[in-house]
Amino acid sequence: DTQMTQSPSFVYASVGDRVTITCRASQGISTWLAWYQQKPGKAPKLLIYGASNLQSGVPSRFSGSGSGTEFTLTISSLQPEDFATYYCQQANSFPLTFGGGTKVEI
Amino acid sequence: QLQLQESGPGLVKPSETLSLICTVSGGSIRSNNYYWGWIRQPPGKALEWIGTFHSSGSTYYSSSLKSRVTISVDTPKNQFSLNFNSVTAADTAVYYCARHGNIDNWFDPWGQGTLVTVSS
Repeated sequence: DTQMTQSPSFVYASVGDRVTITCRASQGISTWLAWYQQKPGKAPKLLIYGASNLQSGVPSRFSGSGSGTEFTLTISSLQPEDFATYYCQQANSFPLTFGGGTKVEI
Repeated sequence: QLQLQESGPGLVKPSETLSLICTVSGGSIRSNNYYWGWIRQPPGKALEWIGTFHSSGSTYYSSSLKSRVTISVDTPKNQFSLNFNSVTAADTAVYYCARHGNIDNWFDPWGQGTLVTVSS
């Protein structure tokens, strides 16, 4: 199985800050990676797919990069609605696996 | 617009079987272009993929859960189901159903989720 490790587990940030979250895969997955945003009591929402492609309707302050085993999600200027938990997921092969999550808090 | 909706009992006793249904509207589960899956999230914890099926009959399961899980489909009703046997308190979670592509295995859209508590 491909293990996905996210860091940090928590990010304490302010509105306007630049936030970067890292996701590492235990083996190479090319660009078969997705990022999700989850708010309390809600289902996850797909933000980025294929490591760097923005899902329709997602603000351009979100961006993703990386390939192989190391990936990053960047929020260029944090907005109040961005305080949430973010998960990466490898989509390269079954079994599909998620990272442990990164909670972005004030 | 494709929508998924989970349904089933909110409380299951230990050692019994957890059964959930996902009803799909706005699209067909017979599409060759998509897989249909289950994901769960214990309270305060991370997402965990349970398993996925394709209308061709292909089914894939989590390595750690596959001995207890079965995913099946009811094509006329446009539904798919999850059966999870011998549950314990550790199986208490919000259970989500979701769609992913047959090449691009990222989940979109998701159902709203349903909380299942395992307790006597």
